[in-house]
Amino acid sequence: EAQVTQNPRYLITVTGKKLTVTCSQNMNHEYMSWYRQDPGLGLRQIYYSMNVEVTDKGDVPEGYKVSRKEKRNFPLILESPSPNQTSLYFCASSLSWANYGYTFGSGTRLTVV
Amino acid sequence: KNEVEQSPQNLTAQEGEFITINCSYSVGISALHWLQQHPGGGIVSLFMLSSGKKKHGRLIATINIQEKHSSLHITASHPRDSAVYICAWQETSGSRLTFGEGTQLTVNP
Repeated sequence: EAQVTQNPRYLITVTGKKLTVTCSQNMNHEYMSWYRQDPGLGLRQIYYSMNVEVTDKGDVPEGYKVSRKEKRNFPLILESPSPNQTSLYFCASSLSWANYGYTFGSGTRLTVV
Repeated sequence: KNEVEQSPQNLTAQEGEFITINCSYSVGISALHWLQQHPGGGIVSLFMLSSGKKKHGRLIATINIQEKHSSLHITASHPRDSAVYICAWQETSGSRLTFGEGTQLTVNP
């Protein structure tokens, strides 16, 4: 089944403890991206990758890192999480950056206390 | 300021009604996306439009590039259509999406 898999679905962590949210797609998509969703602010892009080893900042990159060492994986790294990073996170992929539909992961609900 | 404006923010309808959700944007775009977010939180891509009109089942999406406006229509609405509908524009370089705040649709039986 074609899908984007995010893990974990739920995570509660403490301030400052490094964490990684994984994202993997099995569709050979070139484009992958990370978003966060907050009440009243909607979805906002964190980082995106147009292909292997090519990543760039979205609208809210502060406090996050990403890497794209292989086509299928695009992990989101929080080196030192803070409570303002409590949010619902989505990974998505697309065949190409140029005008194709997106497939979203199921989301990761992160709470930083 | 959000560069994508959706209306209405909330919409309640009776089963069977024709639904229209609007999306206006202020910049030149390469494509506009309509997404559906289920009550459980999952997001599904419904349409990606760069011109004209697309139809999938009871869903129809239209875009007017000159007027910078898109609409999502649902014919013969059903309670299972209850969800948040989000439009997002894709900038001309194609690398970023900017999202509207969403329309919460509730369809009552």
